[in-house]
Amino acid sequence: AQKITQTQPGMFVQEKEAVTLDCTYDTSDQSYGLFWYKQPSSGEMIFLIYQGSYDQQNATEGRYSLNFQKARKSANLVISASQLGDSAMYFCAMRVRNQGGKLIFGQGTELSVKP
Amino acid sequence: DGGITQSPKYLFRKEGQNVTLSCEQNLNHDAMYWYRQDPGQGLRLIYYSQIVNDFQKGDIAEGYSVSREKKESFPLTVTSAQKNPTAFYLCASGPRAGELFFGEGSRLTVL
Repeated sequence: AQKITQTQPGMFVQEKEAVTLDCTYDTSDQSYGLFWYKQPSSGEMIFLIYQGSYDQQNATEGRYSLNFQKARKSANLVISASQLGDSAMYFCAMRVRNQGGKLIFGQGTELSVKP
Repeated sequence: DGGITQSPKYLFRKEGQNVTLSCEQNLNHDAMYWYRQDPGQGLRLIYYSQIVNDFQKGDIAEGYSVSREKKESFPLTVTSAQKNPTAFYLCASGPRAGELFFGEGSRLTVL
């Protein structure tokens, strides 16, 4: 069965510092995608970054990077130079090609950025 | 602008009433999805549809129903059989691979 695990219910980071949000996944499929979404208090889901299972290099998008360790089945999100606007819930998700394209979500990590 | 539109944004329901949440997309995506989110929790899949006139149950389909008569539309009905319907509902659509695009959500409260 496919599963996403986020073990950090809440995290604090000082403004301008970097922070790592943990994510591990479980699947027996070889073709899958890993995603991170941000959900501010307004409730909308904002796509941040994507990593394909066959991608050789770690994905980066501006201040976001994904530390992909396939053998360990981990896909941690690194946010560099944290900003106050980064305070939100962060969800790791997996999409398996053979499972109807549905996204499977973790429980989320609530990030609070301190000034 | 292209995107996903959910309505209403807020909805109040009396116990025993059915309610329908609307989801419309103009992104030309084949696949559409309905998720439920409870406070402090992740998203759980209710129903999904990969093509018009076809849909599949997700992990928590009991008490819900859907239809997919048009590619652009995937309405969700919360029936009186759903025992705890108060939640935040999110609709999404997407291509075969890549990220899903989400609407702004509908917040349902049972009075």
